Amino acid sequence: AQRVTQPEKLLSVFKGAPVELKCNYSYSGSPELFWYVQYSRQRLQLLLRHISRESIKGFTADLNKGETSFHLKKPFAQEEDSAMYYCALRDNYGQNFVFGPGTRLSVLP
Amino acid sequence: SAVISQKPSRDICQRGTSLTIQCQVDSQVTMMFWYRQQPGQSLTLIATANQGSEATYESGFVIDKFPISRPNLTFSTLTVSNMSPEDSSIYLCSVERTGTGYTFGSGTRLTVV
Repeated sequence: AQRVTQPEKLLSVFKGAPVELKCNYSYSGSPELFWYVQYSRQRLQLLLRHISRESIKGFTADLNKGETSFHLKKPFAQEEDSAMYYCALRDNYGQNFVFGPGTRLSVLP
Repeated sequence: SAVISQKPSRDICQRGTSLTIQCQVDSQVTMMFWYRQQPGQSLTLIATANQGSEATYESGFVIDKFPISRPNLTFSTLTVSNMSPEDSSIYLCSVERTGTGYTFGSGTRLTVV
């Protein structure tokens, strides 16, 4: 069965510092990977997906099939990036969608 | 992306009662998804609701406990039946729009006392 792990429950960085939120997955096929973000008192929203290879709010993520990872990165963190971040995987049948446990990012002034 | 209206946003319920959560989408979608997020845990898929057919439940979830309706392509309900304190969670509906990924409702925070 597919599984998504995010080893850090809480990550604190200072404003302007680089940030990397780790995500690893286990799946035998070709998954589709997503990052979702939930800001305080707001709904969960899509941040980016690996197939679109886009950069949203300065965040990027590259799918590394060899390491089965999809780490989220931003070179210079901003205070408004403080939120809960979820890595998610969808299998190649498009049916099963699995979320990681989430990482709370706190950007300190 | 799709706009989803989910209600109620929160409720406090007595054990043994049932609560129905509604999810309205601003456009037609084939599949709607219901998730649960228990305190301190990640989102877990409860079931997938297709219009005109029975919902498909994930392992650990059954129709008697979480009956789902999907009367049309823009609306779905999830009922949490015979509630116990263990059902206290945030419940979210979600849809997928081609090319834009998944969109989530604002969630229903349920507390069972």
